[in-house]
Amino acid sequence: SQELEQSPQSLIVQEGKNLTINCTSSKTLYGLYWYKQKYGEGLIFLMMLQKGGEEKSHEKITAKLDEKKQQSSLHITASQPSHAGIYLCGADNQAGTALIFGKGTTLSVSS
Amino acid sequence: DAGITQSPRHKVTETGTPVTLRCHQTENHRYMYWYRQDPGHGLRLIHYSYGVKDTDKGEVSDGYSVSRSKTEDFLLTLESATSSQTSVYFCAISRLQTSTDTQYFGPGTRLTVL
Repeated sequence: SQELEQSPQSLIVQEGKNLTINCTSSKTLYGLYWYKQKYGEGLIFLMMLQKGGEEKSHEKITAKLDEKKQQSSLHITASQPSHAGIYLCGADNQAGTALIFGKGTTLSVSS
Repeated sequence: DAGITQSPRHKVTETGTPVTLRCHQTENHRYMYWYRQDPGHGLRLIHYSYGVKDTDKGEVSDGYSVSRSKTEDFLLTLESATSSQTSVYFCAISRLQTSTDTQYFGPGTRLTVL
């Protein structure tokens, strides 16, 4: 079965610094989704990537799906306290019936 | 805002009691999902529905049943709750008429089984 591995599991960055979170799949990705979750709340959809090499940006967050379609990266530029939370990547499961998720990356931003 | 509500938001119950969680959507979407979120496991699919009375099992369906008698409501039932079912439960919907599409999540229900 397909698995998604996220790295790092957690990180603490100083406000204003850049950071990258990675999501690596054990199989080819056909749809890759990034979500953000604040503690005790639901998941907020950030971006979806489908094509190899595709890159999308929203405010200071950029996500990219690599050419071989087995890894995605999420890059935050000039981090702010509002970026703190858990970032999860999700992908279409093999059966095409639902999403599977990585275990998440917890981001803390210190001011 | 995808118009998804979950009830209750918090529940504490005892081992062996039945529990029903409700997911309600206001936008008539075909696909609905139930996930549980646990530390170290991330989000895992319990059951999903692709229409009224049409449901199927996910990765961790043992001990759970679902029902969907109306488009807007998707119910998750724990027939006899166990401590291993202590978790945060999320409902989700897909907006397009396909299962492989962006999913939007409800606020979650925190369930504690003592």
